[in-house]
Amino acid sequence: GAGVSQSPSNKVTEKGKDVELRCDPISGHTALYWYRQSLGQGLEFLIYFQGNSAPDKSGLPSDRFSAERTGGSVSTLTIQRTQQEDSAVYLCASRFTSPGTFGNEQFFGPGTRLTVL
Amino acid sequence: DQQVKQNSPSLSVQEGRISILNCDYTNSMFDYFLWYKKYPAEGPTFLISISSIKDKNEDGRFTVFLNKSAKHLSLHIVPSQPGDSAVYFCAASRGQKLVFGQGTRLTINP
Repeated sequence: GAGVSQSPSNKVTEKGKDVELRCDPISGHTALYWYRQSLGQGLEFLIYFQGNSAPDKSGLPSDRFSAERTGGSVSTLTIQRTQQEDSAVYLCASRFTSPGTFGNEQFFGPGTRLTVL
Repeated sequence: DQQVKQNSPSLSVQEGRISILNCDYTNSMFDYFLWYKKYPAEGPTFLISISSIKDKNEDGRFTVFLNKSAKHLSLHIVPSQPGDSAVYFCAASRGQKLVFGQGTRLTINP
Protein backbone atom coordinates (compact mmCIF):
# COMPACT_ATOMS: atom_id res chain seq x y z
CA GLY A 1 0.00 0.00 0.00
CA ALA A 2 0.97 3.68 -0.26
CA GLY A 3 3.26 5.12 2.38
CA VAL A 4 3.26 8.55 3.97
CA SER A 5 3.52 11.26 1.36
CA GLN A 6 4.55 14.88 1.80
CA SER A 7 4.42 17.91 -0.44
CA PRO A 8 6.21 19.85 -1.64
CA SER A 9 9.48 17.94 -1.53
CA ASN A 10 11.41 21.21 -1.59
CA LYS A 11 10.35 24.73 -0.72
CA VAL A 12 12.44 27.87 -1.00
CA THR A 13 10.93 31.01 0.44
CA GLU A 14 11.92 34.48 1.46
CA LYS A 15 12.21 35.54 5.06
CA GLY A 16 8.89 36.84 6.35
CA LYS A 17 6.69 34.80 4.01
CA ASP A 18 4.22 32.15 5.20
CA VAL A 19 4.56 28.51 4.09
CA GLU A 20 2.26 25.48 4.22
CA LEU A 21 3.56 21.94 4.24
CA ARG A 22 1.27 19.00 3.60
CA CYS A 23 1.25 15.44 4.87
CA ASP A 24 -0.88 12.51 3.69
CA PRO A 25 -0.59 9.70 6.26
CA ILE A 26 -1.02 6.02 5.61
CA SER A 27 -4.72 5.23 5.25
CA GLY A 28 -6.19 4.03 8.54
CA HIS A 29 -3.39 5.39 10.70
CA THR A 30 -4.92 7.27 13.58
CA ALA A 31 -1.83 9.01 14.90
CA LEU A 32 0.10 11.66 12.98
CA TYR A 33 3.33 13.40 13.99
CA TRP A 34 5.41 16.29 12.71
CA TYR A 35 9.15 16.49 13.30
CA ARG A 36 11.91 18.66 11.97
CA GLN A 37 15.54 17.88 11.38
CA SER A 38 17.98 20.76 11.26
CA LEU A 39 21.37 20.28 9.65
CA GLY A 40 23.46 17.76 11.60
CA GLN A 41 20.80 17.30 14.26
CA GLY A 42 18.41 14.58 15.28
CA LEU A 43 14.69 14.69 14.76
CA GLU A 44 12.89 17.27 16.90
CA PHE A 45 9.28 16.57 17.83
CA LEU A 46 6.85 19.35 16.90
CA ILE A 47 3.23 18.21 17.24
CA TYR A 48 1.15 15.03 17.55
CA PHE A 49 -2.46 14.28 16.55
CA GLN A 50 -4.38 11.27 17.84
CA GLY A 51 -7.87 10.70 16.50
CA ASN A 52 -10.26 13.41 17.64
CA SER A 53 -8.28 14.33 20.72
CA ALA A 54 -6.72 17.76 21.18
CA PRO A 55 -3.27 17.75 19.58
CA ASP A 56 -0.10 17.71 21.67
CA LYS A 57 1.58 20.95 20.60
CA SER A 58 4.33 20.84 23.19
CA GLY A 59 7.14 20.75 20.62
CA LEU A 60 6.15 23.75 18.52
CA PRO A 61 9.04 26.24 18.84
CA SER A 62 6.98 29.43 18.61
CA ASP A 63 3.50 30.73 17.94
CA ARG A 64 4.49 31.21 14.31
CA PHE A 65 4.05 27.44 13.95
CA SER A 66 0.64 25.79 13.75
CA ALA A 67 -0.81 22.59 12.36
CA GLU A 68 -4.18 21.16 11.50
CA ARG A 69 -5.45 17.72 10.72
CA THR A 70 -8.68 17.69 8.77
CA GLY A 71 -11.05 14.74 8.81
CA GLY A 72 -8.58 12.65 10.72
CA SER A 73 -6.40 12.29 7.65
CA VAL A 74 -4.41 15.00 5.83
CA SER A 75 -2.40 17.43 7.91
CA THR A 76 -0.89 20.81 7.11
CA LEU A 77 1.92 22.48 9.02
CA THR A 78 1.93 26.26 8.66
CA ILE A 79 4.87 28.49 9.45
CA GLN A 80 4.07 32.20 9.48
CA ARG A 81 6.62 34.96 8.94
CA THR A 82 9.38 32.47 8.25
CA GLN A 83 12.87 33.07 9.65
CA GLN A 84 16.20 31.72 8.44
CA GLU A 85 16.43 29.46 11.50
CA ASP A 86 13.27 27.70 10.30
CA SER A 87 15.32 26.15 7.48
CA ALA A 88 15.22 22.39 8.03
CA VAL A 89 13.72 19.17 6.74
CA TYR A 90 10.17 18.79 8.04
CA LEU A 91 9.12 15.17 8.45
CA CYS A 92 5.69 13.72 8.94
CA ALA A 93 5.03 10.28 10.40
CA SER A 94 1.93 8.21 11.05
CA ARG A 95 1.09 5.20 13.17
CA PHE A 96 -1.82 2.84 13.66
CA THR A 97 -3.05 2.73 17.22
CA SER A 98 -5.79 0.76 18.91
CA PRO A 99 -6.59 -0.18 22.50
CA GLY A 100 -4.03 -2.64 23.72
CA THR A 101 -1.41 -1.89 21.07
CA PHE A 102 2.09 -1.46 22.41
CA GLY A 103 5.11 -0.03 20.78
CA ASN A 104 5.65 3.14 18.83
CA GLU A 105 6.75 2.22 15.32
CA GLN A 106 6.11 5.32 13.27
CA PHE A 107 6.22 5.39 9.50
CA PHE A 108 7.85 8.45 7.99
CA GLY A 109 7.33 10.38 4.80
CA PRO A 110 10.24 11.61 2.68
CA GLY A 111 10.12 15.08 4.21
CA THR A 112 9.93 18.63 2.91
CA ARG A 113 13.20 20.52 2.72
CA LEU A 114 12.47 24.14 3.62
CA THR A 115 15.00 26.82 2.82
CA VAL A 116 14.38 30.36 4.05
CA LEU A 117 16.52 32.95 2.30
CA ASP B 1 18.70 18.58 27.89
CA GLN B 2 19.48 15.73 25.51
CA GLN B 3 17.59 12.69 26.78
CA VAL B 4 18.86 10.38 24.03
CA LYS B 5 22.48 10.60 22.90
CA GLN B 6 24.47 8.98 20.16
CA ASN B 7 28.01 10.00 20.94
CA SER B 8 29.60 8.76 17.73
CA PRO B 9 28.67 10.96 14.77
CA SER B 10 30.26 8.49 12.36
CA LEU B 11 31.48 4.91 12.14
CA SER B 12 33.37 3.13 9.38
CA VAL B 13 33.31 -0.67 9.13
CA GLN B 14 34.67 -3.15 6.63
CA GLU B 15 32.17 -5.18 4.63
CA GLY B 16 31.48 -8.53 6.29
CA ARG B 17 32.46 -7.35 9.76
CA ILE B 18 30.19 -6.44 12.65
CA SER B 19 28.86 -2.89 12.99
CA ILE B 20 28.00 -1.77 16.52
CA LEU B 21 26.06 1.44 17.00
CA ASN B 22 25.58 2.80 20.50
CA CYS B 23 22.97 4.94 22.20
CA ASP B 24 22.61 6.25 25.75
CA TYR B 25 19.54 7.68 27.43
CA THR B 26 18.89 9.51 30.67
CA ASN B 27 15.17 9.06 31.32
CA SER B 28 14.50 5.81 33.18
CA MET B 29 10.80 6.13 32.35
CA PHE B 30 11.36 5.28 28.69
CA ASP B 31 9.75 1.89 28.03
CA TYR B 32 10.26 1.32 24.33
CA PHE B 33 13.30 1.80 22.13
CA LEU B 34 13.66 1.83 18.36
CA TRP B 35 16.30 2.08 15.68
CA TYR B 36 15.68 3.86 12.40
CA LYS B 37 17.80 3.96 9.28
CA LYS B 38 17.89 6.97 6.98
CA TYR B 39 19.17 7.33 3.45
CA PRO B 40 19.77 10.81 1.96
CA ALA B 41 16.62 12.56 0.75
CA GLU B 42 14.40 9.87 2.27
CA GLY B 43 12.48 9.67 5.51
CA PRO B 44 13.70 7.42 8.32
CA THR B 45 12.76 3.75 7.97
CA PHE B 46 11.95 1.65 11.00
CA LEU B 47 14.51 -1.09 11.54
CA ILE B 48 14.06 -2.87 14.86
CA SER B 49 12.67 -2.19 18.33
CA ILE B 50 12.82 -3.50 21.86
CA SER B 51 10.58 -3.22 24.87
CA SER B 52 12.08 -2.34 28.24
CA ILE B 53 11.03 -5.74 29.59
CA LYS B 54 13.51 -7.43 27.27
CA ASP B 55 17.26 -7.21 26.93
CA LYS B 56 17.67 -8.50 23.39
CA ASN B 57 15.72 -8.60 20.16
CA GLU B 58 16.95 -10.14 16.95
CA ASP B 59 15.77 -9.80 13.36
CA GLY B 60 17.99 -11.35 10.72
CA ARG B 61 21.30 -9.53 10.62
CA PHE B 62 20.12 -6.94 13.14
CA THR B 63 20.17 -7.36 16.91
CA VAL B 64 19.32 -4.73 19.49
CA PHE B 65 20.61 -5.03 23.05
CA LEU B 66 19.21 -3.10 25.99
CA ASN B 67 21.07 -2.58 29.27
CA LYS B 68 18.60 -0.82 31.54
CA SER B 69 20.95 -0.45 34.48
CA ALA B 70 23.43 1.38 32.27
CA LYS B 71 20.68 3.14 30.29
CA HIS B 72 22.37 1.98 27.15
CA LEU B 73 21.26 0.29 23.97
CA SER B 74 23.17 -0.90 20.98
CA LEU B 75 22.46 -2.12 17.48
CA HIS B 76 24.59 -4.89 16.04
CA ILE B 77 24.65 -5.54 12.31
CA VAL B 78 26.40 -8.69 11.19
CA PRO B 79 27.62 -9.23 8.59
CA SER B 80 27.73 -5.61 7.45
CA GLN B 81 26.85 -4.99 3.81
CA PRO B 82 27.42 -1.94 1.54
CA GLY B 83 23.67 -1.25 1.52
CA ASP B 84 23.83 -0.72 5.28
CA SER B 85 25.64 2.58 4.71
CA ALA B 86 23.19 5.18 6.06
CA VAL B 87 22.51 7.36 9.09
CA TYR B 88 21.13 5.40 12.04
CA PHE B 89 18.96 7.04 14.68
CA CYS B 90 18.02 5.53 17.99
CA ALA B 91 14.77 6.66 19.58
CA ALA B 92 13.06 6.16 22.91
CA SER B 93 9.47 6.58 24.00
CA ARG B 94 7.12 6.53 26.90
CA GLY B 95 3.66 7.09 25.61
CA GLN B 96 3.13 8.47 22.17
CA LYS B 97 6.17 10.63 21.47
CA LEU B 98 9.58 9.54 20.26
CA VAL B 99 12.78 11.22 21.42
CA PHE B 100 15.58 10.81 18.90
CA GLY B 101 19.34 10.79 19.17
CA GLN B 102 21.46 12.88 16.82
CA GLY B 103 22.28 9.97 14.54
CA THR B 104 25.40 8.02 13.58
CA ARG B 105 26.56 7.89 9.98
CA LEU B 106 27.62 4.33 9.18
CA THR B 107 29.88 3.71 6.20
CA ILE B 108 30.55 0.17 5.06
CA ASN B 109 33.80 -0.12 3.12
CA PRO B 110 34.23 -2.83 0.47
